[in-house]
Amino acid sequence: GAVVSQHPSWVICKSGTSVKIECRSLDFQATTMFWYRQFPKQSLMLMATSNEGSKATYEQGVEKDKFLINHASLTLSTLTVTSAHPEDSSFYICSARSGGDINPYEQYFGPGTRLTVT
Amino acid sequence: AQSVTQPDIHITVSEGASLELRCNYSYGATPYLFWYVQSPGQGLQLLLKYFSGDTLVQGIKGFEAEFKRSQSSFNLRKPSVHWSDAAEYFCAVGAVVNTGFQKLVFGTGTRLLVSP
Repeated sequence: GAVVSQHPSWVICKSGTSVKIECRSLDFQATTMFWYRQFPKQSLMLMATSNEGSKATYEQGVEKDKFLINHASLTLSTLTVTSAHPEDSSFYICSARSGGDINPYEQYFGPGTRLTVT
Repeated sequence: AQSVTQPDIHITVSEGASLELRCNYSYGATPYLFWYVQSPGQGLQLLLKYFSGDTLVQGIKGFEAEFKRSQSSFNLRKPSVHWSDAAEYFCAVGAVVNTGFQKLVFGTGTRLLVSP
């Protein structure tokens, strides 16, 4: 149980275009979803937290107009990288939390999406 | 602010030898602590977690970790390492931010290399 999927697993796009990454909880309802960014050989950096039906809360230094997050349902969140540039190339990982978990910090992670901007 | 320190960037262990990965945290209250493993190009898999009870926690794949409040540590151990254990290991602490959200704060990770 508690499976999170991401689509696509990798994507290449041209500079200036936008790309959307989907994060789905397959067998539970995700009241909260998180988006992380990971640079090569570095740790995960939280970008934003979103609750279903609410606006996302972005971490300091993350451009909310560039990284659009939509948590439209209890099983789907999307991250759209707008007007992508080569410096946006990274590994993006989502995670989801179930409202039924006793542990308030329990998160289930997706497999990640490798974005390359050329 | 909550923080996690993993002092070892790389560790090389011979196959069959024991392993200990260090993790120190900074948190005012009783922490929620996690260890995750990440294989190249993959997401994170939870190895084990602690938030109360027995301070020695058993996880998957033969891993265990011990919470030591006096040392603010949550070190990960395995008695006999297998070549398939080569990966990146992340320690994390649960933290409440000023917006009321609960999030995970990750350490910088330790890359485990297993030699034959």
